[in-house]
Amino acid sequence: EAQVTQNPRYLITVTGKKLTVTCSQNMNHEYMSWYRQDPGLGLRQIYYSMNVEVTDKGDVPEGYKVSRKEKRNFPLILESPSPNQTSLYFCASTTGGKEKLFFGSGTQLSVL
Amino acid sequence: EDQVTQSPEALRLQEGESSSLNCSYTVSGLRGLFWYRQDPGKGPEFLFTLYSAGEEKEKERLKATLTKKESFLHITAPKPEDSATYLCAVQAAGSARQLTFGSGTQLTVLP
Repeated sequence: EAQVTQNPRYLITVTGKKLTVTCSQNMNHEYMSWYRQDPGLGLRQIYYSMNVEVTDKGDVPEGYKVSRKEKRNFPLILESPSPNQTSLYFCASTTGGKEKLFFGSGTQLSVL
Repeated sequence: EDQVTQSPEALRLQEGESSSLNCSYTVSGLRGLFWYRQDPGKGPEFLFTLYSAGEEKEKERLKATLTKKESFLHITAPKPEDSATYLCAVQAAGSARQLTFGSGTQLTVLP
C-alpha cells in the first residue's frame, strides 16, 4: 500500500530536549516536505526536499533541521524544542509534478 | 505574498442540503489551485487540481470551480460521511515547490 509513515504519532517532551520525528514514503517520490498545522493558521511549510541531499527552507524553518540522505526518508529534527513548537506536524511527498501531495497521519507534538 | 482565505470557517448542513464553500486567493500568477479533505486525526487527502479560470472538476457529490479570484467547492445533497475539514491551497507560477494553504472550512453534515 502506497503511504507516508510518520513516527511517533504523539510526543510530549520538555524544552531543550532534542527530538527527531521520522518520515518514510514507499512511493519512490523525489519531493518530500514537512508542514506544521496550527489552529487558524492553516498548514505552513517548514522545509522541503527536491531529492536526495537537496533541501531548502519553507515559510517557517526557524528551530528545525532536516536531512535527506535516502530517497525514502526525510526526518525532522528539533535540536532544542521550545513551547512555541507545540503543533501538529505532517510529512508529505509527491512526484516531480508536485500536484498531488500524499500526507502522513501526523505527529502531535507538545513541548512543555 | 500569496494568500488564501476560506469561508465560512465552519458550516453545518442537514443531510441533503446542498451548499458551497469559498476559497478566495491572491497569488502572483496561478500555477494551480488544490482542494484537500482532512478527517479528524488524519492527514489531508487530495481531491482536485484546477489550473485555469472556468475549469470544473467533479467527484461524487463534490464539484470544484475556479475563477480568477476564487474557487468554490459545491456539495450536492451531502451525506454525514462528507463531514470533514476542506482545505484549499494555491501554487504560484515560478514557485514550483510549495503550496500556500487556507485555514479550511469545517463541514458537519447532520443526519
